[in-house]
Amino acid sequence: DAGVTQSPTHLIKTRGQQVTLRCSPKSGHDTVSWYQQALGQGPQFIFQYYEEEERQRGNFPDRFSGHQFPNYSSELNVNALLLGDSALYLCASRPTSAYTQYFGPGTRLTVL
Amino acid sequence: GNSVTQMEGPVTLSEEAFLTINCTYTATGYPSLFWYVQYPGEGLQLLLKATKADDKGSNKGFEATYRKETTSFHLEKGSVQVSDSAVYFCALTLDTGRRALTFGSGTRLQVQP
Repeated sequence: DAGVTQSPTHLIKTRGQQVTLRCSPKSGHDTVSWYQQALGQGPQFIFQYYEEEERQRGNFPDRFSGHQFPNYSSELNVNALLLGDSALYLCASRPTSAYTQYFGPGTRLTVL
Repeated sequence: GNSVTQMEGPVTLSEEAFLTINCTYTATGYPSLFWYVQYPGEGLQLLLKATKADDKGSNKGFEATYRKETTSFHLEKGSVQVSDSAVYFCALTLDTGRRALTFGSGTRLQVQP
């Protein structure tokens, strides 16, 4: 049983560019959340998707947007990248009826 | 608002020493509590959880007890190994998890042979 997978593993962008990160949830999981983990910090919640809609959002600007597909996979899009967007981006999934979230290995984004 | 406070690291121990990592929380409501572990270069792995007061979560020799009276969920292990070296995160969620996880800042554990 595959766990949560994310792509790409690493990404380097320059300021002002746009980036798309991808996540495939664990089998049987229909709720996907995204977190940003800056170096040396705990993860910060960005948003959560269920039934292809954003259900909850953390304190992140509109430059951060997402999408969930019918197969429950998800994308995180960040526009107009800033140096401060450099971080590890984690995807987590769970069945909507459960509370335990399972995390992927993350995508390391570096903005130069 | 909801928040989690962890003891600052790094915590450096010799192999077979006793480990305690303190975690306290503030929450509006009755949270579920978690410990996640992050090994170098990897994502987060669930270590253990507890969903109500006085519950004890345990896994791989680690234990934590949900203490409502002290709003704490301290992580303990009787004898650490070099392979336990990692960053440990305490976290909470409310309302059966429909709300997001709130994490502490993490505690780095270094175990020396």
